[in-house]
Amino acid sequence: QSVLTQPPSVSAAPGQKVTISCSGSSSNVANNYVSWYQQLPGAAPKLLIYENNKRPSGIPDRFSGYKSGTSATLGITGLQTGDEADYYCGTWDSRLSTGVFGGGTKLTVL
Amino acid sequence: QLQLQESGPGLVKPSETLSLTCTVSGGSISSSHYYWGWIRQPPGKGLEWIGSIYYSGSTYYNPSLKSRVTISVDTSKNQFSLKLSSVTAADTAVYFCARGNDVANWFDPWGQGTLVTVSS
Repeated sequence: QSVLTQPPSVSAAPGQKVTISCSGSSSNVANNYVSWYQQLPGAAPKLLIYENNKRPSGIPDRFSGYKSGTSATLGITGLQTGDEADYYCGTWDSRLSTGVFGGGTKLTVL
Repeated sequence: QLQLQESGPGLVKPSETLSLTCTVSGGSISSSHYYWGWIRQPPGKGLEWIGSIYYSGSTYYNPSLKSRVTISVDTSKNQFSLKLSSVTAADTAVYFCARGNDVANWFDPWGQGTLVTVSS
């Protein structure tokens, strides 16, 4: 049971937009920075979004992050088949004093 | 370009100690502002933060693993290491090392990961 709750799966057609939610609490999402990672099959996670809404260099602006209260959202526009992957949110939990991740969301591009 | 590479045994017997090393290249492990972390992923499951270390040696551990985990750093070799004692089958996972911003704010880049299986 993950501290951060993500939908197990989402799907959309190529070219469309999808959002992935990450629900937490006042001890984690609400009061700490949220990051998002993309994990392609058989690969290591790759940082997509840090500090709620910032993109590392090299990450296309098709990827965006947003946070409001105890929830964060990853948005992906112009979906491509290469975007099929597992996506994880992560943050710090101040009450538990530990880094925490969501359970992951599998994105299928139909 | 900073790169991280995990190394260590791929098979560990139950009750023994898992030992892994992460070698950092393309940058110094002594850089200020960054922490160095270990994260694991059981087969088919999600990510779990194990702990992080600062180059000065300050350590931060997941409370659920704290009694069994030791993370250390060797700045002369640009490496940091993980030891997990009294392992069981539940510790079977891919273990990743990564550079962290703050203790566990965000991680980038990550090593490719190494699968450690706990079995007799």
